[in-house]
Amino acid sequence: QKEVEQNSGPLSVPEGAIASLNCTYSDRGSQSFFWYRQYSGKSPELIMFIYSNGDKEDGRFTAQLNKASQYVSLLIRDSQPSDSATYLCAVHNTDKLIFGTGTRLQVFP
Amino acid sequence: EAGVAQSPRYKIIEKRQSVAFWCNPISGHATLYWYQQILGQGPKLLIQFQNNGVVDDSQLPKDRFSAERLKGVDSTLKIQPAKLEDSAVYLCASSLVPGSIYGYTFGSGTRLTVV
Repeated sequence: QKEVEQNSGPLSVPEGAIASLNCTYSDRGSQSFFWYRQYSGKSPELIMFIYSNGDKEDGRFTAQLNKASQYVSLLIRDSQPSDSATYLCAVHNTDKLIFGTGTRLQVFP
Repeated sequence: EAGVAQSPRYKIIEKRQSVAFWCNPISGHATLYWYQQILGQGPKLLIQFQNNGVVDDSQLPKDRFSAERLKGVDSTLKIQPAKLEDSAVYLCASSLVPGSIYGYTFGSGTRLTVV
């Protein structure tokens, strides 16, 4: 079992819709969770982090964490074509950041 | 605040040649990481430094890869000899402390092509 799993996609959503990106992790001891956005040919950039169960909102982005289910998700409201990118889920595990393979999101006009 | 600097941006070498990458982290960041990102995959940690000491190099292919951070600031990653499967983007990242809840800041990466 991979430490951090994501559906590789692509996830295609129309402009203005909600995009829902999901991630599961294997280590119950993991404490903090991150979402990075990576445009093609660019390096990852941090968009959200969460470490408590529940929801955390930042603008159009909402991160959701459920430690009991070992599940973290990212919702993007009012999706824009500029949101088209690969979204990487990352989990802190003994001071290491472990990444999933990423989900490619395509927002079409 | 200046970001994480990496060079070169691109490198093309033949298999069995050697190559070196350089990284300068954000000023004051004690922890430095080298990641390898193969096309279509997530970044994979190769080595983690805390100041000038190695914290984790469990996934570094030590028969061909080496890395150093002599003065606890900038770092170099070397591959010798290179194989075709080493073609990837090599990302350097830094953080103020290990396990920072604010995550890591990545450099722009070095895209290596081995032919």
